[in-house]
Amino acid sequence: GAGVSQSPRYKVAKRGQDVALRCDPISGHVSLFWYQQALGQGPEFLTYFQNEAQLDKSGLPSDRFFAERPEGSVSTLKIQRTQQEDSAVYLCASSIRRVSYEQYFGPGTRLTVT
Amino acid sequence: GIQVEQSPPDLILQEGANSTLRCNFSDSVNNLQWFHQNPWGQLINLFYIPSGTKQNGRLSATTVATERYSLLYISSSQTTDSGVYFCAGGTSYGKLTFGQGTILTVHP
Repeated sequence: GAGVSQSPRYKVAKRGQDVALRCDPISGHVSLFWYQQALGQGPEFLTYFQNEAQLDKSGLPSDRFFAERPEGSVSTLKIQRTQQEDSAVYLCASSIRRVSYEQYFGPGTRLTVT
Repeated sequence: GIQVEQSPPDLILQEGANSTLRCNFSDSVNNLQWFHQNPWGQLINLFYIPSGTKQNGRLSATTVATERYSLLYISSSQTTDSGVYFCAGGTSYGKLTFGQGTILTVHP
């Protein structure tokens, strides 16, 4: 089947704007993760969902970041009042979890805040 | 949290050469993956290897869980192997902590 998909692939926002990033996980995958990757760095964990429950949001950098997965499938990462330091690639990953913790990543959304 | 250290940070090879990339973990992990990030930023799964040895074509990986390290072997490297290689580990539900990556450049 299809892999993890993300949209948009690229987003340019003016400082202060709100943005919403979408993730469609692999069908049937219980776990969903968001990561942030700054230029030249490895991805860093933001938040984790098991079905519709957000079980870990310890990596969200500020209260301007909000994530949801209301029906246990598609997830949205929202950033309010964007700042220049939010510029990064936002990666989504999913995992079936029941038999394996292996994560599969989407292509990412590159956010540039001007 | 877990600390992940990758070495070397950069590696330059001639086509056909072999290489070994290493990943050390500060604590035990029950989820360990190796990825190749291509020039478009896509993370491609290479191995899911919390322990043991696996092989896939010219690539193989070994994880020694008791000593908290993992190795990725690339044999007969090709220019298409160029890119950034990440290892990542985690515990419990699978949240991953990534290393800083190894930048591999293979010259023809």
